[in-house]
Amino acid sequence: QVQLVQSGAEVKRPGASVQVSCKGYGYTFTSYTINWVRQAPGQGLEWMGWINTKKGNTKYGQNLQGRVTMTTDTSTNTAYMELNSLISDDTAIYYCARDGRPDSEYPYFDFWGQGTLVTVSS
Amino acid sequence: DIVMTQSPDSLAVSLGERATINCKSSQNVLWDSNKKNYLAWYQQKPGQPPKLLIYWASTRESGVPDRFSGSGSGTDFTLTISSLQAEDVAFYYCQQYYSLPPTFGQGTKLEI
Repeated sequence: QVQLVQSGAEVKRPGASVQVSCKGYGYTFTSYTINWVRQAPGQGLEWMGWINTKKGNTKYGQNLQGRVTMTTDTSTNTAYMELNSLISDDTAIYYCARDGRPDSEYPYFDFWGQGTLVTVSS
Repeated sequence: DIVMTQSPDSLAVSLGERATINCKSSQNVLWDSNKKNYLAWYQQKPGQPPKLLIYWASTRESGVPDRFSGSGSGTDFTLTISSLQAEDVAFYYCQQYYSLPPTFGQGTKLEI
C-alpha cells in the first residue's frame, strides 16, 4: 500500500538549516509530485511547495522563496526538503504529501507522511 | 492567493445527528472547461496527519464512509456528516487547488 515515511524530529538553533526526508513506498514514485505542508503548533496548514519527482522542477510558496530547497533522489524514492536561516516561527510539524493526480501541478493531497516536528529554539 | 474561510470555527453535535461545515472561497474554483470544482476536504485527528475525505468538491475518497458527503459549486461549499459517530471528532479543513498556492481554510473543530 502507498506509504510516505519521514525522518525523525529535529531541534535546531535559530539561523541553522534543517533537512527532512520523505521516502515513498508502494507506488511508482516518479509518477506523482511530492508536496510539503507545515503546521505550526495549534495552527492550520500551510503549503510550502512541490517537486516534480520525474523532472526535478520545483514550485515554492512565495513566503519561503529563497529559504527552501526541495530535491529528490529517484534511486531511493526519497524526497528532501531543506529550510535555511531558521527562525522560531519555523517551529512546526512538516509533512510531505503526495498529489492525488499523476503529473499534476495543482495538487490535492491523497497520502501524507507521518510528520516531522522541527523545533527552533536557542 | 485564494482565501478559504470556514464556518463555524467550532461545532458541537450529538451522536447520530447531522453535522454541517461550510467553506467559502474568495474566488471561483470552478474550472469552466471541465466543470469541476477544485475543492477538497480533510479530516485531522490529534497527533495524526490530515486524511483526504473528499475531492472535486463531492467525490468521496476510497474507504471514506458514505456518511461523509460534499456539495457546492463556485465559491460556496459544504461538508456534511449525516449521522455523527464518536470517531468523527476531529478538525476539518477545506482546500482549493484551482490555483497556486493551494490554500486551506482555518479549520473547524467538531466535537460531541
